[in-house]
Amino acid sequence: AQSVTQPDIHITVSEGASLELRCNYSYGATPYLFWYVQSPGQGLQLLLKYFSGDTLVQGIKGFEAEFKRSQSSFNLRKPSVHWSDAAEYFCAVGEGGYNKLIFGAGTRLAVHP
Amino acid sequence: EAQVTQNPRYLITVTGKKLTVTCSQNMNHEYMSWYRQDPGLGLRQIYYSMNVEVTDKGDVPEGYKVSRKEKRNFPLILESPSPNQTSLYFCASSLQRGYNEQFFGPGTRLTVL
Repeated sequence: AQSVTQPDIHITVSEGASLELRCNYSYGATPYLFWYVQSPGQGLQLLLKYFSGDTLVQGIKGFEAEFKRSQSSFNLRKPSVHWSDAAEYFCAVGEGGYNKLIFGAGTRLAVHP
Repeated sequence: EAQVTQNPRYLITVTGKKLTVTCSQNMNHEYMSWYRQDPGLGLRQIYYSMNVEVTDKGDVPEGYKVSRKEKRNFPLILESPSPNQTSLYFCASSLQRGYNEQFFGPGTRLTVL
């Protein structure tokens, strides 16, 4: 069965530092991969998605992610974190043809001033 | 403004008292779904609907019902809520074809005593 693993439950970084959030997936075919962000008390917002083509994907808010098939990974990165990036981040893989998303457990990001 | 709305946002109820959480989208999306979010588990799909009068079970459908009588609305029904249904619920919608972005509602926090 398809699955998504986010190894880090909590991450704390200092403002201005770089960030990498890890995501590993298990999927038999070419995966459709997503990163969502959930700010406190808010719904989920799409940061970026990968369907095919260039393995380095640019998203909103200065985020990017790189798809590595050999490592079954889709890690999210940002070169310089802002305090407003504190949120919970979810990696997801799209399953089948019906837009169903399989989510990881999430990584909660805290940003120190 | 394109959006998915849910009501109520917060609900405290007692075991066995039937309740309905409404979901409405104004984007003319064919596909709608319900997820529940639990700590350490991410989001899991409860039910989905590919179009009016077409619904199917997701990964955790037990104890829930849905209906899709109109394209814009997709209510979630708990006919006899139990404490293990205490959770954060999200409604989402997207265009039917391909892997399009899913738009999420703001969430409904349900507590069943």
